[in-house]
Amino acid sequence: SQQGEEDPQALSIQEGENATMNCSYKTSINNLQWYRQNSGRGLVHLILIRSNEREKHSGRLRVTLDTSKKSSSLLITASRAADTASYFCATVETGANNLFFGTGTRLTVIP
Amino acid sequence: EAGVTQFPSHSVIEKGQTVTLRCDPISGHDNLYWYRRVMGKEIKFLLHFVKESKQDESGMPNNRFLAERTGGTYSTLKVQPAELEDSGVYFCASSQNRGVDYGYTFGSGTRLTVV
Repeated sequence: SQQGEEDPQALSIQEGENATMNCSYKTSINNLQWYRQNSGRGLVHLILIRSNEREKHSGRLRVTLDTSKKSSSLLITASRAADTASYFCATVETGANNLFFGTGTRLTVIP
Repeated sequence: EAGVTQFPSHSVIEKGQTVTLRCDPISGHDNLYWYRRVMGKEIKFLLHFVKESKQDESGMPNNRFLAERTGGTYSTLKVQPAELEDSGVYFCASSQNRGVDYGYTFGSGTRLTVV
């Protein structure tokens, strides 16, 4: 069954603004990962947050994880046109050995 | 190092035909995964190889799909015969250790269109 669900499905912002994407999941997880897909290209691993972590930063990215609510958010600060892409959260269930992806959020950053 | 390479990047075939997708993982990566994204839906796990062995093929949709990884290097995913609902983007990923703990390296995908 589908594990991750992203919200919103699509987001359009002006360059320089912050973008926030949310992800909800259903089961107990080992970790949660965020990936980006630029049009016509493969998935790029952005950041991984483990189930015992609450917040993680990487450059302009900030990820939070709330295991009690089974949700995560990805914040991209000071967005750039190059950030335009689809963003997916993916979870690794406890004891599992593969990723379960959501449907993704399509982010458009307008120059 | 070279990334994960997938071939072809695009394939358009008629219903009932056969198509073979290929994935070359990063050299030395024992773990190789296949995923696919059907139009507008989530990216779904298909199967996982550890070297040449199928570790988990629970995501394979039916027996029209056959994955191999002879010699534990590159992998092929054959669809025979192809159906319209097989259209989508097929991704391959590889990892050296437990990629689920550190993130995978994905290829650019093969966009399959069945007409």
